[in-house]
Amino acid sequence: SQTIHQWPATLVQPVGSPLSLECTVEGTSNPNLYWYRQAAGRGLQLLFYSVGIGQISSEVPQNLSASRPQDRQFILSSKKLLLSDSGFYLCAWSLGGSGNEQFFGPGTRLTVL
Amino acid sequence: KQEVTQIPAALSVPEGENLVLNCSFTDSAIYNLQWFRQDPGKGLTSLLLIQSSQREQTSGRLNASLDKSSGRSTLYIAASQPGDSATYLCALEGFQKLVFGTGTRLLVSP
Repeated sequence: SQTIHQWPATLVQPVGSPLSLECTVEGTSNPNLYWYRQAAGRGLQLLFYSVGIGQISSEVPQNLSASRPQDRQFILSSKKLLLSDSGFYLCAWSLGGSGNEQFFGPGTRLTVL
Repeated sequence: KQEVTQIPAALSVPEGENLVLNCSFTDSAIYNLQWFRQDPGKGLTSLLLIQSSQREQTSGRLNASLDKSSGRSTLYIAASQPGDSATYLCALEGFQKLVFGTGTRLLVSP
């Protein structure tokens, strides 16, 4: 069966510090991978998605970036965090192509002070 | 641009009641519709997936319908239980991307 992991579970960072969140998927090959953010009082927003190694599509211009160095690894990064980057970050995967169910990880709660 | 609305924003019912959550969308050009539940501070759990060509899906006490012509989906929960308390989200897939509604917060009281 497939599982998806995210770490860390919680993170408190000062403004201007760097960020690295990691997501890994087990039990499947060549999945589509996604990063979402859920800010307080707002809905889920798609940030990045990837259909393969090194292939990243950005949905929202911001100071965040994503990378996919391995088939089942997806990393969300920032060089300098802003207060507005606080939120709940969720990674998800689906089988390749369209029309497939998405499965979500447990999330990372990021607080920028 | 796809816009997804969920009504009501919050719902409180006594245990045992049957209830309906609503999801409306503006663009019927979708691949599928997915219903999720989210417990406080947790990730999303997929409940049901309805493909664009389907009209409904059932899983246990849950039944979801899809009417693309009217831009609506409903999630029916039968015989609600306190363990059903959570936020319910609908999401529509365009090409490989989900657009989420803002959710319905459900509280089922014993």
